[in-house]
Amino acid sequence: ELKVEQNPLFLSMQEGKNYTIYCNYSTTSDRLYWYRQDPGKSLESLFVLLSNGAVKQEGRLMASLDTKARLSTLHITAAVHDLSATYFCAVDSSGGGADGLTFGKGTHLIIQP
Amino acid sequence: EAGVTQFPSHSVIEKGQTVTLRCDPISGHDNLYWYRRVMGKEIKFLLHFVKESKQDESGMPNNRFLAERTGGTYSTLKVQPAELEDSGVYFCASSQGPGSGAYEQYFGPGTRLTVT
Repeated sequence: ELKVEQNPLFLSMQEGKNYTIYCNYSTTSDRLYWYRQDPGKSLESLFVLLSNGAVKQEGRLMASLDTKARLSTLHITAAVHDLSATYFCAVDSSGGGADGLTFGKGTHLIIQP
Repeated sequence: EAGVTQFPSHSVIEKGQTVTLRCDPISGHDNLYWYRRVMGKEIKFLLHFVKESKQDESGMPNNRFLAERTGGTYSTLKVQPAELEDSGVYFCASSQGPGSGAYEQYFGPGTRLTVT
């Protein structure tokens, strides 16, 4: 059974600081997804990482994928309050590209002014 | 372009009753997925349609759940009879699929189901 583990599950940090969220998974999938969810809202797609060594950046967020280590990271640079949300990583169940996703438990991120 | 829509946004029903959730995917998306998040747990995959066909229903918890996608457009998820443990948020997502090179799944706002 595919397992996806995120850590930390809860993170409180101050504006301007840097931090990294880690996502480990248990199968040899090379497709990994990061989503953001604001309270009461839907999941917003942040990044789709499709191959080993993939790195994508959007604003203060940067995601990377190491398929050999089965590890993805979401790095936050100089955090701002607007980035407060819950962040999920998810893995394609079989690597086929159109299968159901297996999600981590999510990282609840609070950024304080 | 309209996103994935779901109806209703909230539903409160009694144990033993029936509830039907609806999902309208993004136009042109052949792949449609249902997920569920029970409070305190991970988001769990339920099933996957490709057009009107069930591609994978391995995540469906039991035979009280019935999903349909007639005509390959919108989908419904019926729970009959509902049990207390069915409470949670039900998400629908859609994607174009690997044939188009687009793997991204777009999620709807979810339906919050409360069974009392």
